[in-house]
Amino acid sequence: QVQLQESGPGLVKPSETLSLTCTVSGGSISSYYWSWIRQPPGKGLEWIGYIYYSGSTNYNPSLKSRVTISVDTSKNQFSLKLSSVTAADTAVYYCASTSGYVRWGQGTLVTVSS
Amino acid sequence: QSVLTQPPSVSGAPGQRVTISCTGSSSNIGAGYDVHWYQQLPGTAPKLLIYGNSNRPSGVPDRFSGSKSGTSASLAITGLQAEDEADYYCQSYDSSLSGSLVFGGGTKLTVL
Repeated sequence: QVQLQESGPGLVKPSETLSLTCTVSGGSISSYYWSWIRQPPGKGLEWIGYIYYSGSTNYNPSLKSRVTISVDTSKNQFSLKLSSVTAADTAVYYCASTSGYVRWGQGTLVTVSS
Repeated sequence: QSVLTQPPSVSGAPGQRVTISCTGSSSNIGAGYDVHWYQQLPGTAPKLLIYGNSNRPSGVPDRFSGSKSGTSASLAITGLQAEDEADYYCQSYDSSLSGSLVFGGGTKLTVL
């Protein structure tokens, strides 16, 4: 059974770039689509984007100009970069496999504050 | 504004039956994309409840059931229990957004 674990800074300054990595264990990253999903405190779920192991990507149009998702098959990892962050980007960030339904990581809280 | 529309809240007494609707359009649910449902308890990641419109993963009680018709889907919970109090989300895909993954806004279930 595939397991996912997010890692990265829990605090990012406004205008800087948020960077997170997801490590996939118990299976190969060379299958499925791999997504980032976020949830602001007290709010609903928002899909950020996904990447296939080949490197093809699809991003949420509302975030597309600031998002980059990449994959490193040699490390069984994929990553998220979100640029020019503001307080509105404060959220729990989940990495997930998304082929059909979502298989979730445990999530990591990222706070944008100076 | 979510692509899929859910009621913000529903409630019911223990033992009762409640339903949560998920309304989409011809570019997502109506286009034939499957609907999946998740239960989220406070402070935890969402948990898969129903996949492929009406299928339960192992370990999910048969009190939970899902259905889909046209541009909408529904989650039904029978024999309500206090532990069912949680947030529920529907999820699908949307062809007008290049196959983007879409969620409903979420429904808070209160067990009275």
